[in-house]
Amino acid sequence: KAGVTQTPRYLIKTRGQQVTLSCSPISGHRSVSWYQQTPGQGLQFLFEYFSETQRNKGNFPGRFSGRQFSNSRSEMNVSTLELGDSALYLCASSPQGSNTEAFFGQGTRLTVV
Amino acid sequence: QQQVKQSPQSLIVQKGGIPIINCAYENTAFDYFPWYQQFPGKGPALLIAIRPDVSEKKEGRFTISFNKSAKQFSLHIMDSQPGDSATYFCAASMHSGAGSYQLTFGKGTKLSVIP
Repeated sequence: KAGVTQTPRYLIKTRGQQVTLSCSPISGHRSVSWYQQTPGQGLQFLFEYFSETQRNKGNFPGRFSGRQFSNSRSEMNVSTLELGDSALYLCASSPQGSNTEAFFGQGTRLTVV
Repeated sequence: QQQVKQSPQSLIVQKGGIPIINCAYENTAFDYFPWYQQFPGKGPALLIAIRPDVSEKKEGRFTISFNKSAKQFSLHIMDSQPGDSATYFCAASMHSGAGSYQLTFGKGTKLSVIP
């Protein structure tokens, strides 16, 4: 069974630009969550999607948004990029959500210059 | 309170030693406690997880000890190997309405196992 696939692996963007990251969950998994990982703040929850609906959102500004498609694939978008958005963005999938096992992808390393 | 406190920040042990990583939480609504292992350039990989109705869980060389009254849990790695050198994260999860959940992570422990 293929794992969680995130694309692209690396991105370099300029301040003020926007970026879209993609996540393909494990086949059969319907819940997709996104996390931001930085050396200073660690791993922080961004949002969770289940059956194309955002069920939960972390404490991030509205510049961070996401969506989920009918095949459970998910995208997250960051608009008006700031230097502080440089981070590893991780996607995790789980079968149903609700405290079942969550499996992470390798992440997308975003650098904002 | 959503915080999960993890210690130590870093840990060096000899091969064959038993590193112990500790985590503490405040929110009694947490009901699922996983541990993740992360190698450089990789995403976190689920190692082992426990629910609060169990005091200990063992999978291979990894053991979680859970103390519900103290709101603490710990990871023990038996017979540690250089290949176990990685960053370890504890996490806690609870339902957040509409069937959703979110993982709250500790800050991580960088483990080095020296030959």
